[in-house]
Amino acid sequence: NAGVMQNPRHLVRRRGQEARLRCSPMKGHSHVYWYRQLPEEGLKFMVYLQKENIIDESGMPKERFSAEFPKEGPSILRIQQVVRGDSAAYFCASSPQTRLEFNYGYTFGSGTRLTVV
Amino acid sequence: DQQVKQNSPSLSVQEGRISILNCDYTNSMFDYFLWYKKYPAEGPTFLISISSIKDKNEDGRFTVFLNKSAKHLSLHIVPSQPGDSAVYFCAAVRTGNQFYFGTGTSLTVIP
Repeated sequence: NAGVMQNPRHLVRRRGQEARLRCSPMKGHSHVYWYRQLPEEGLKFMVYLQKENIIDESGMPKERFSAEFPKEGPSILRIQQVVRGDSAAYFCASSPQTRLEFNYGYTFGSGTRLTVV
Repeated sequence: DQQVKQNSPSLSVQEGRISILNCDYTNSMFDYFLWYKKYPAEGPTFLISISSIKDKNEDGRFTVFLNKSAKHLSLHIVPSQPGDSAVYFCAAVRTGNQFYFGTGTSLTVIP
């Protein structure tokens, strides 16, 4: 998992607060993906971004969730007005190019564990 | 809509024996399959992959088999080692960049 940095590792928020999760991809990687793992479930795709572009957000909840990957700085997953059901592990992954050119899968970060109390 | 399924939540195997982890999928359009390994409090780590045009891929102690007619793939680990104890996720991908993950199988290798 070396190279994809996620912070914070653990985040506790009260219901109604905002959560901001950050992901710095591996050096040279311009593609970022966010996945969420709810308790007792597998990882679910949320969003795929390239620098300054959202390519696929088909897995993002329609409300309260947003993501960005600015020209400079990390990718941010933002959850507004958090609810208890948002408690999960959020993983970021990166790749150097589109999947059409790789067979090694993404490189994942260690995740941010969000707990909403 | 769980397109990738791992029906065994856990598996225990003696050290030195073979571990077989299974995965089923529903979408015949998937063109690549991958296995990831995950330790607690860490992100998933890529293990091995297979293209849909192949039926076997081997990397050291790890072999992935694909049976397209049955929409089934399996991961064989032989010989199993205690360090292999982890949760294993299978994943599938088609056009686009979205991976579909199974719910995972927790493997315990008993010394």
